[in-house]
Amino acid sequence: DTEVTQTPKHLVMGMTNKKSLKCEQHMGHRAMYWYKQKAKKPPELMFVYSYEKLSINESVPSRFSPECPNSSLLNLHLHALQPEDSALYLCASSQDNVGGNYGYTFGSGTRLTVV
Amino acid sequence: AQSVTQLGSHVSVSEGALVLLRCNYSSSVPPYLFWYVQYPNQGLQLLLKYTTGATLVKGINGFEAEFKKSETSFHLTKPSAHMSDAAEYFCAVSARNNDMRFGAGTRLTVKP
Repeated sequence: DTEVTQTPKHLVMGMTNKKSLKCEQHMGHRAMYWYKQKAKKPPELMFVYSYEKLSINESVPSRFSPECPNSSLLNLHLHALQPEDSALYLCASSQDNVGGNYGYTFGSGTRLTVV
Repeated sequence: AQSVTQLGSHVSVSEGALVLLRCNYSSSVPPYLFWYVQYPNQGLQLLLKYTTGATLVKGINGFEAEFKKSETSFHLTKPSAHMSDAAEYFCAVSARNNDMRFGAGTRLTVKP
């Protein structure tokens, strides 16, 4: 299995809702990432988990809450989002945490719309 | 901190023509460099990477890139463009702190 699977593919939520994005990989990768991508922009790093521990948080607002229950799963919990949070959320994984020198494997993303 | 600059937000070539997408990097340590491709409404797919060793790296779909330390460049080329190459291309750099940073992207259009 050489894929990163993200669910759901599309999500529409109100500003008072609570929802979660899920990411799963079975490649034995020990580093996992969340990126946010606005239209016609590059992906922006949000969080990095290394060996199930949060190692990088790029000053992301607290309405985004990551969780790594085990080495194969990564969640992003969403609460009280704003319309400007609408974007493509990408999950990625890599073999280890040494500079990502193996390259990242990306999922196809969750298209989030906040209304 | 490391960063990359992609020259040209949009490149248009004819089918069969040479593809050249430019990327310059800045890094205080020897960098790891990558090219990714993104098709509409999809994630990013790794085309190729440079870590150490041979400076000319070959990737998937006939693409290759050359690491030139003296020019701090990592340009992506393909001898003959195909219609299916039309996509967004991102250059990326990673040091050893596990935070890959992407360039602004170059949209490649291939004309029949």
